[in-house]
Formats: sequence, C-alpha cells, structure tokens
Amino acid sequence: AQSVSQHNHHVILSEAASLELGCNYSYGGTVNLFWYVQYPGQHLQLLLKYFSGDPLVKGIKGFEAEFIKSKFSFNLRKPSVQWSDTAEYFCAVKGGGFKTIFGAGTRLFVKA
Amino acid sequence: EAGVTQFPSHSVIEKGQTVTLRCDPISGHDNLYWYRRVMGKEIKFLLHFVKESKQDESGMPNNRFLAERTGGTYSTLKVQPAELEDSGVYFCASSPRSGGSGNTIYFGEGSWLTVV
Repeated sequence: AQSVSQHNHHVILSEAASLELGCNYSYGGTVNLFWYVQYPGQHLQLLLKYFSGDPLVKGIKGFEAEFIKSKFSFNLRKPSVQWSDTAEYFCAVKGGGFKTIFGAGTRLFVKA
Repeated sequence: EAGVTQFPSHSVIEKGQTVTLRCDPISGHDNLYWYRRVMGKEIKFLLHFVKESKQDESGMPNNRFLAERTGGTYSTLKVQPAELEDSGVYFCASSPRSGGSGNTIYFGEGSWLTVV
C-alpha cells in the first residue's frame, strides 16, 4: 500500500531562514507528487506538483521541490521564508489509480 | 469559476445523532473525493466517485458512513449515528474527467465536525 511520511511535524524558523521539509513515499511504480499548503483560515491549495520531466519543480511563492526517484523523496524547499509562509504543508502522492495519499502535515511557523 | 463548496462549514452534534455533509464539486468535474482529517493526523482518503458511481470506497471507516452522489453532481456524506471518534475535518475534492494519474485535485474548505 502507498504511504507518505513527512519528517517534521512542527518547524519554527525566523524570517529569511532557509526551509526544507522532508517527504518520503512508498510506492514502486510511477507516481505523481504534490505539495499542498493550508494557510490559517483558508482551504488546502496546491503549491506545486511533479508529473514527469525535470525533477526540480518550481511552484508558487518561491517554493520548489526535488523529486529523487532513488530515494523515494520529494522534499520541499524555499531559500528564504517570510512570515506569510506560516501554514501547514502536506506532501501527497498519487500512484496507480485515482487515489491521492497525504502525509500527516508539517506545521511551519515563521517568526517575524 | 466557483471552487469546491462544502456545507456546513462547522457542525456540533451529540453522540448518536445524525449529520449530513454536502459537497458541490467544480462544475464539470466527474471525479469527486471525500477525505477526513482527525486532529493532528494525516488527511485520510474515504472514497471516490466517478460521476454517480463509487469508484473506490476503501477508506470508509464503517457502515455508519454513507456517501451518495445523486445524478453525478453534488455529493452527501451522512454519518449515522455519530460517535466521538468521528470528529474531524471532512474535505471534499474534485478533479476533471480525464483524471488519470496526472490530474490535480481541488479541495473545498472542509466541514468541521465535532461530536460531543
């Protein structure tokens, strides 16, 4: 069965610090990978996605993620976080079929 | 374009009562999904409709949960009778018809259910 593991449940950073959120998945076949974000009081929205091609994916708001197939990983990065990046981040995987599986989420708090 | 809408946004009910959650997907989206997030846990898949048919209901916790999608449009998720452990946020999501492995799903704001 597919599963998604997010390494950190809570992350606290100061503004301008660099961010990397870990995500590993278990599925042996072709996958589509996503990062979703939920800002306080808002609904889940797509941050970026990987389907195929360049394993380094650029998303909105300066986020990027790198798909490393050999490590079954899809880590999210941002070189310099802002206070407005405070949110909960979810890694998600879609393998064979239609079901998308989510990780437990990482709560990021950025100190101004 | 309207997004996925869910109603009610919040519901507080007593154990043993019934609650019905409604989801209106994005117009034209054949795929509709229900997910649930219990406090602090991952977002768990409940089921998937393609139009009015249940494609995958492997995530439904037990027979107290009943999902329908009449006419392939909006969907309802009924919990009867509700138990304390049913508390959480119920998310609905939809994606277009050609939803093979490549489609993004779009989420509603969720329905917060509290069972007391």
